Amino acid sequence: DSGVTQTPKHLITATGQRVTLRCSPRSGDLSVYWYQQSLDQGLQFLIQYYNGEERAKGNILERFSAQQFPDLHSELNLSSLELGDSALYFCASSAQGGGNTIYFGEGSWLTVV
Amino acid sequence: AQSVTQLDSQVPVFEEAPVELRCNYSSSVSVYLFWYVQYPNQGLQLLLKYLSGSTLVKGINGFEAEFNKSQTSFHLRKPSVHISDTAEYFCAVGRGNAGNMLTFGGGTRLMVKP
Repeated sequence: DSGVTQTPKHLITATGQRVTLRCSPRSGDLSVYWYQQSLDQGLQFLIQYYNGEERAKGNILERFSAQQFPDLHSELNLSSLELGDSALYFCASSAQGGGNTIYFGEGSWLTVV
Repeated sequence: AQSVTQLDSQVPVFEEAPVELRCNYSSSVSVYLFWYVQYPNQGLQLLLKYLSGSTLVKGINGFEAEFNKSQTSFHLRKPSVHISDTAEYFCAVGRGNAGNMLTFGGGTRLMVKP
C-alpha cells in the first residue's frame, strides 16, 4: 500500500460527459501528480501541484483540468470525453525536492463508450 | 527536454535465469534515474533509484541497476528471476528543478516462464 488513495477505481461513462477523479496523497506529501496510462501513449505526465499551486504541466488537454485543495487532496476533471480518453489515470505524491520517491496510487480506470 | 528509451518491449526468460532490462536516457542536465514495477491491475512501485554517488544501486526483490553516464544508460539486472517477477518495468528520469516530475520510458514486459 503506497498510501495514495484514488477514487473511483473504475468508471464507465459516455462520450461528451464529464467526470471527476479524486486523489488523497500520502500523509505529509505536498506534491501531487497526475499521469495517464494508455496502450498507445504509454505513461504520460499530465500535471503537478505543490501545496495548492500548479507546479508543472505536461501533455494535459485543454478539456482536462486539475486542482489541489487546502487539505491537499486533488481532483482531475475530464470534460467533453472522447473514446480516446479511455485510460488508466494515476495520481502520485511525493515530498518536494529533486530525487524524492514518487508514490503512485492504484489508478482510476476510465472507459468512455 | 529529456527522454527515456527502453529498448525491449518484451523480454521472455526462464525461471532462475539472469535478466537485464535496458534503459537509455537523454538529458542536457544532471538527472535522477528510477526503475518502477507495475504488477497486473496495480499501481507503480519503486524498485530502486539513482541520485548520486555509487553507480551500482541495489533495490528491492533482488534487483540492481548500474548508472553509466558516458553511455547514458541505467540498465536493470537480476541474477535469478522468479515467476513472481512477471510484470511491466518502467525506467524513468527526473530533474529536481522540473518540479520533480518524471518522464517514463515505454515499459518492458518481463515474462518469466517455468
